[in-house]
Amino acid sequence: DTGVSQNPRHKITKRGQNVTFRCDPISEHNRLYWYRQTLGQGPEFLTYFQNEAQLEKSRLLSDRFSAERPKGSFSTLEIQRTEQGDSAMYLCASSSEAYQPQHFGDGTRLSIL
Amino acid sequence: SQQGEEDPQALSIQEGENATMNCSYKTSINNLQWYRQNSGRGLVHLILIRSNEREKHSGRLRVTLDTSKKSSSLLITASRAADTASYFCATDAKNYGQNFVFGPGTRLSVLP
Repeated sequence: DTGVSQNPRHKITKRGQNVTFRCDPISEHNRLYWYRQTLGQGPEFLTYFQNEAQLEKSRLLSDRFSAERPKGSFSTLEIQRTEQGDSAMYLCASSSEAYQPQHFGDGTRLSIL
Repeated sequence: SQQGEEDPQALSIQEGENATMNCSYKTSINNLQWYRQNSGRGLVHLILIRSNEREKHSGRLRVTLDTSKKSSSLLITASRAADTASYFCATDAKNYGQNFVFGPGTRLSVLP
């Protein structure tokens, strides 16, 4: 069990640029979740996958955000035309089944200049 | 509004004392989980309690669940400086689909 891995750990970019983050879940976990966390708040659900199928998306997720999990293993989260309000920590988590404990990566901290 | 709310928002205690954090939620749940987050790191799962359970223990952690009051508490006994972190409850409210909803957390500081 090598844990959930996220890359990069930090990303600094200018407003309007596109960014992509990667998450490698625990290998035997078929569920993968993306969250956004701002300072002093709890993680906010963005979307989740069961294998390669994206089963649920938050209504807060604008159309500038897209996530994929093409082979049911790693996942990517892309933000297009970044805005100042996108600055946050983006967390990925995986679990073996629904309603089971989630294992989190250490996140990607995004800063928009 | 968020499904879960922790109370207090911040707690500062001396090493060796007990720390109690509370979580209230709004709708029916399948289970409730507690997580810890150290600064700049991801969340770490501590304990899961199912809706038909009332109390659960894990080492120095004790979690209670009162579904009639829609509340849970996390007790950390004999706290250590290493327990300094933010603590979050997460609920899988049945009408939130199959994802978890986290509260804003309690920031615990354990002073040596």
